[in-house]
Amino acid sequence: GQQVMQIPQYQHVQEGEDFTTYCNSSTTLSNIQWYKQRPGGHPVFLIQLVKSGEVKKQKRLTFQFGEAKKNSSLHITATQTTDVGTYFCAGPWGGGADGLTFGKGTHLIIQP
Amino acid sequence: KAGVTQTPRYLIKTRGQQVTLSCSPISGHRSVSWYQQTPGQGLQFLFEYFSETQRNKGNFPGRFSGRQFSNSRSEMNVSTLELGDSALYLCASSFSGLDTEAFFGQGTRLTVV
Repeated sequence: GQQVMQIPQYQHVQEGEDFTTYCNSSTTLSNIQWYKQRPGGHPVFLIQLVKSGEVKKQKRLTFQFGEAKKNSSLHITATQTTDVGTYFCAGPWGGGADGLTFGKGTHLIIQP
Repeated sequence: KAGVTQTPRYLIKTRGQQVTLSCSPISGHRSVSWYQQTPGQGLQFLFEYFSETQRNKGNFPGRFSGRQFSNSRSEMNVSTLELGDSALYLCASSFSGLDTEAFFGQGTRLTVV
């Protein structure tokens, strides 16, 4: 079965509202990565989390790795139109034999 | 530094044909991975090469193959194309593999008619 669940699939927000996407795993991970893909573009690396309970911030973006290293979240404060895109979590599910496995992604749509 | 370069950017092929896609990784990166992206299935891992050896392989039929050269450049080949192979094929390079940041190329958009 699917090893990673990313929710929600779509998120509509008004510009200026906050946004959160969640990534849940059935297994413990050694690390988790987050990527952003703009419409028509390619995935771009945002961050990697390695430690249990780790929290990292990049300007308006806050990334968390759960204590059990089974879940992660990305929170954007006060969204801007430049935040539009699909946010993916990725990790070595399957012990790496399946490569870097990506979640289905959360499509962020911002209404001005 | 130069990014990951994929060629060609767009391809239209007929069912039954074969196709070869190319990827030039970032200088110094020895790991190259290939992914297929479709609206329905999302990003799916095809295979990873490291120092000319296939290190990991996803769940794709044998029609999908790849190789890596001594300069780390990689190619993937799809034989006997099917309509369902229409997708964006992405190449990603990284310094050492899954535990490090992956840099993606812009992809090759393959359309099979």
